[in-house]
Amino acid sequence: AQKITQTQPGMFVQEKEAVTLDCTYDTSDPSYGLFWYKQPSSGEMIFLIYQGSYDQQNATEGRYSLNFQKARKSANLVISASQLGDSAMYFCAMRGLGRNTPLVFGKGTRLSVIA
Amino acid sequence: GAGVSQSPSNKVTEKGKDVELRCDPISGHTALYWYRQSLGQGLEFLIYFQGNSAPDKSGLPSDRFSAERTGGSVSTLTIQRTQQEDSAVYLCASSSSVAGGNQPQHFGDGTRLSIL
Repeated sequence: AQKITQTQPGMFVQEKEAVTLDCTYDTSDPSYGLFWYKQPSSGEMIFLIYQGSYDQQNATEGRYSLNFQKARKSANLVISASQLGDSAMYFCAMRGLGRNTPLVFGKGTRLSVIA
Repeated sequence: GAGVSQSPSNKVTEKGKDVELRCDPISGHTALYWYRQSLGQGLEFLIYFQGNSAPDKSGLPSDRFSAERTGGSVSTLTIQRTQQEDSAVYLCASSSSVAGGNQPQHFGDGTRLSIL
C-alpha cells in the first residue's frame, strides 16, 4: 500500500519569496515515482514536476524543484520567486513504477501568495 | 482538442436518479483513470483502464458505480440511484502507454455533480 502525507493544510508566502511545501510518503514498492500537481480555484489539475525513486538528482522544472530525501521518505516541493498566480491547492502523489497504475494523492496544501 | 475532455461540466440531479459522466482522453493515450474529489479533499481513485486489459475496479465505492470504455477511447462513468454522498467533482485523467510509470496523468476539468 502507498500513502502520501501533506501536513500543511495552508501556507502563506510573500510575493517573490521562496516556499517549501512538505510531502512525506510510505510505500513497499522498491521503485516508485513522485508527482506534484497544482489545482487553481478553477479546478483543473496541472502537472508540475516528477521525481523517480532511482533518479540521482533532484528534479527541477523552471521555478519548481523537488527536494527528494529518499532515506527520510520526503519529496518536498520548492517554489522559488513566488507569484500571485501560484495561489492554489498543491497535491503530492505517487505510484509504483513499471505500470501506469493510479496515483495515490495526499490531501493537499493550500498556498496563498500575498502581494 | 489536445487535452482530456469531460462532459457535462456541471450536473445537478435528484436523489435516486441515474447519471452518466463522459470522458474523452488525449488521443493515443491507452491508460484512462477516474477519480473523485469531495469538497476540500484530495483525489480518490475509482477505476482504471489500461489498453485491452480488464479494468481495475478496486476503487469503486459501491455496486451503484460502473464504468466502461468503448473502442479503447471514450469512457463513461455511470452512477445508479444517486445518493447525496455522491456529490463531488469527478475527474478523468489519461496517460500514455510508455512503460516505466513516469508518465504524468493529464486531467480533464472535471464534472461537478450535485445531488439534491
